[in-house]
Amino acid sequence: KAGVTQTPRYLIKTRGQQVTLSCSPISGHRSVSWYQQTPGQGLQFLFEYFSETQRNKGNFPGRFSGRQFSNSRSEMNVSTLELGDSALYLCASSLAITGTSGPRRETQYFGPGTRLLVL
Amino acid sequence: GIQVEQSPPDLILQEGANSTLRCNFSDSVNNLQWFHQNPWGQLINLFYIPSGTKQNGRLSATTVATERYSLLYISSSQTTDSGVYFCAVDIDRGSTLGRLYFGRGTQLTVWP
Repeated sequence: KAGVTQTPRYLIKTRGQQVTLSCSPISGHRSVSWYQQTPGQGLQFLFEYFSETQRNKGNFPGRFSGRQFSNSRSEMNVSTLELGDSALYLCASSLAITGTSGPRRETQYFGPGTRLLVL
Repeated sequence: GIQVEQSPPDLILQEGANSTLRCNFSDSVNNLQWFHQNPWGQLINLFYIPSGTKQNGRLSATTVATERYSLLYISSSQTTDSGVYFCAVDIDRGSTLGRLYFGRGTQLTVWP
């Protein structure tokens, strides 16, 4: 089975621009989460999608948004880029099992990441 | 939110040595995962271990959920073990469903 894929792998943008990152989960996985990793803040949760719905969102400004398609692929968008948005963006997919209280995630598998540099 | 603390922050070993990495968490968790971040940034799954003990080759992990800690053991270290090891937990409650909380990691350097 192919792993989680992310495109592009590297990106250089300038302040004020916007960027779209893509994530394709492992086949059969319906839950996709996004994380930002910086040296200062570590790994921080951005948002999580399940069945095309955002289920959870971290503490990031509205410039960060995302969506999930019917094939479970996900995109995240960052508008009006700032220098501080330079980071490694990681996507994770997991097999979500539907339970009585909603979907439950199991092991999360991460993609190789997209390194974004904002100049 | 839940606090995840890893220790030590840095560890330097000679090849062949053994090591123990610790992860403490401040609340009851639904699951716990250990990851190794390779030099290219990818997080590689090591263990999914909400409780109990698991072994995979030279690596093993133990989680004592009632005491809110997990340990990762690396035996006979190799230079390829170098990198950052992360512990992450999922508390699977209400609005936090699906979110992993990460520790700051342990930077392991293994010298030949």
